[in-house]
Amino acid sequence: GIQVEQSPPDLILQEGANSTLRCNFSDSVNNLQWFHQNPWGQLINLFYIPSGTKQNGRLSATTVATERYSLLYISSSQTTDSGVYFCAVDLGTNAGKSTFGDGTTLTVKP
Amino acid sequence: GAVVSQHPSRVICKSGTSVKIECRSLDFQATTMFWYRQFPKQSLMLMATSNEGSKATYEQGVEKDKFLINHASLTLSTLTVTSAHPEDSSFYICSAKAGAGYTEAFFGQGTRLTVV
Repeated sequence: GIQVEQSPPDLILQEGANSTLRCNFSDSVNNLQWFHQNPWGQLINLFYIPSGTKQNGRLSATTVATERYSLLYISSSQTTDSGVYFCAVDLGTNAGKSTFGDGTTLTVKP
Repeated sequence: GAVVSQHPSRVICKSGTSVKIECRSLDFQATTMFWYRQFPKQSLMLMATSNEGSKATYEQGVEKDKFLINHASLTLSTLTVTSAHPEDSSFYICSAKAGAGYTEAFFGQGTRLTVV
């Protein structure tokens, strides 16, 4: 099956710093999403981004489908950004069946 | 965006009992829904694909007789954990898509199951 690798696995930042999270995938995909899982476990949908670039406030994401990677940028980080960030891909061959990476655990210190 | 509601958000049950978790698409119809399980400090793993009006498709290693899935309508799928044991304690999350093909998946809030 498809392999989804996220890096780094853990990231500790000082409040106000910027960061880049990476998601590599081993096969062509038709769907890619970034999520933030909050301390209560709820998955917050950040971006639906099978290709191209999107921005939402301090967050932005870029997916280069031909090179099989996606990047999530967090600027001016805040303590509330702490949590686990997952990327999930959908191959399309089993439409809707998402494969998740192992996540990046982000800790933002005040 | 579309909303998927999951209930209950957390449940504690005794070992040997069964627990039902509901997943509803509130403002769209979903012919297919998906059930995931997440153990502490781990990623989400797909358990099964729920198809409206037909049998669910289970991933390798998932016991279909233990995790009963029913998708009786276009807006509701249920997961029943039968004869639950402490090792079934986990976070269960469902997702749905509004249509076939390569569209965005919407996730429920998740259900934290604790078996004592």
